[in-house]
Amino acid sequence: GENVEQHPSTLSVQEGDSAVIKCTYSDSASNYFPWYKQELGKRPQLIIDIRSNVGEKKDQRIAVTLNKTAKHFSLHITETQPEDSAVYFCAASIGSGNQFYFGTGTSLTVIP
Amino acid sequence: GAGVSQSPSNKVTEKGKDVELRCDPISGHTALYWYRQSLGQGLEFLIYFQGNSAPDKSGLPSDRFSAERTGGSVSTLTIQRTQQEDSAVYLCASSWTGGGNQPQHFGDGTRLSIL
Repeated sequence: GENVEQHPSTLSVQEGDSAVIKCTYSDSASNYFPWYKQELGKRPQLIIDIRSNVGEKKDQRIAVTLNKTAKHFSLHITETQPEDSAVYFCAASIGSGNQFYFGTGTSLTVIP
Repeated sequence: GAGVSQSPSNKVTEKGKDVELRCDPISGHTALYWYRQSLGQGLEFLIYFQGNSAPDKSGLPSDRFSAERTGGSVSTLTIQRTQQEDSAVYLCASSWTGGGNQPQHFGDGTRLSIL
């Protein structure tokens, strides 16, 4: 089955700096890659997603890039703010299947 | 509109007891997923429903775990003869369709503690 690896497990950045979280996947059939943000004690919230027919997608300060050849995708957060502090999860799924494979999460801390 | 609703929000029970966790998905969402999240860990897939059918039960950790969905809406996850290792947050998510390529919307979860 699919295996999703996520790095780093923890990340600290100064407010205003950029943060990058990387995920790799193993199954070339995976074609949908969402990213979720989970604040302490709260539900995971979808923040951005990308499909395999697109190489990059941006939404204000958040962007995701996908390299299908290398089977990796990354989350980029620019101009980080303290409220960006949370755990971020990547996931991959195969469109013909039904299971989402999640990474182990990255705990991001933005230092004011 | 209302999001995914889960109840109870917290459940404390003694080892060996049975528990039932409930998920009410977003209206119109045909796909429903159950996950387990242990403290500081990622999301462990348990089971997926498309309508009332569960085509993928591969994630259920043992035969003490079962789930059903009725009317294409509410789902219950039942854990029989609970063990301490069952302690975790149980998250439910729903999406418009299955197929694994639609955004999932999560509930707040049920925090289960087995004494």
